[in-house]
Amino acid sequence: GEDVEQSLFLSVREGDSSVINCTYTDSSSTYLYWYKQEPGAGLQLLTYIFSNMDMKQDQRLTVLLNKKDKHLSLRIADTQTGDSAIYFCAESRMDSSYKLIFGSGTRLLVRP
Amino acid sequence: DGGITQSPKYLFRKEGQNVTLSCEQNLNHDAMYWYRQDPGQGLRLIYYSQIVNDFQKGDIAEGYSVSREKKESFPLTVTSAQKNPTAFYLCASSARTEKETQYFGPGTRLLVL
Repeated sequence: GEDVEQSLFLSVREGDSSVINCTYTDSSSTYLYWYKQEPGAGLQLLTYIFSNMDMKQDQRLTVLLNKKDKHLSLRIADTQTGDSAIYFCAESRMDSSYKLIFGSGTRLLVRP
Repeated sequence: DGGITQSPKYLFRKEGQNVTLSCEQNLNHDAMYWYRQDPGQGLRLIYYSQIVNDFQKGDIAEGYSVSREKKESFPLTVTSAQKNPTAFYLCASSARTEKETQYFGPGTRLLVL
């Protein structure tokens, strides 16, 4: 199947770390992406990881990829109220002619 | 500034009417895409174009049409055949590189009167 799955909702306290998880099904995935969507806005690219890597760090963001389990996670350190948004993971595949397959999004709520 | 613009931000459609959503990019990207987003759901691909004068159907193309006469423009028409058009429409573009990172516009919300 084509499904990319994410949990629907995550609530954390300001200053804590957030971990958003994603599972995908296609082992031919080349790149995996994390996008952020604020209310009423488009998607903002946060970070991406190539499928032959297992970790990528970019300031407060850490992406972990477990290719064997087809599991991707996004860790946000020192989560701030401005991080409240919907986070989408997406995969691109070698056989998909530039198409991205998106998960349904995880809504992150950061409590003061 | 380089980027992707979509207009209008809000669009109202009457029954039986065709409406056209605009998407323009000045990133010199070859590929452009249209997605539909419904509440609580991910993005579904409507149409995409990898090069001028060529486009392909995505997963939910019925009731929609597109054109790609210029590299920077990829307008989407929501026809009267689309029976449930109320949604948030997102346009994206990417360079035709191995990385294929897609960059998104701010979206157009379409509402039916």
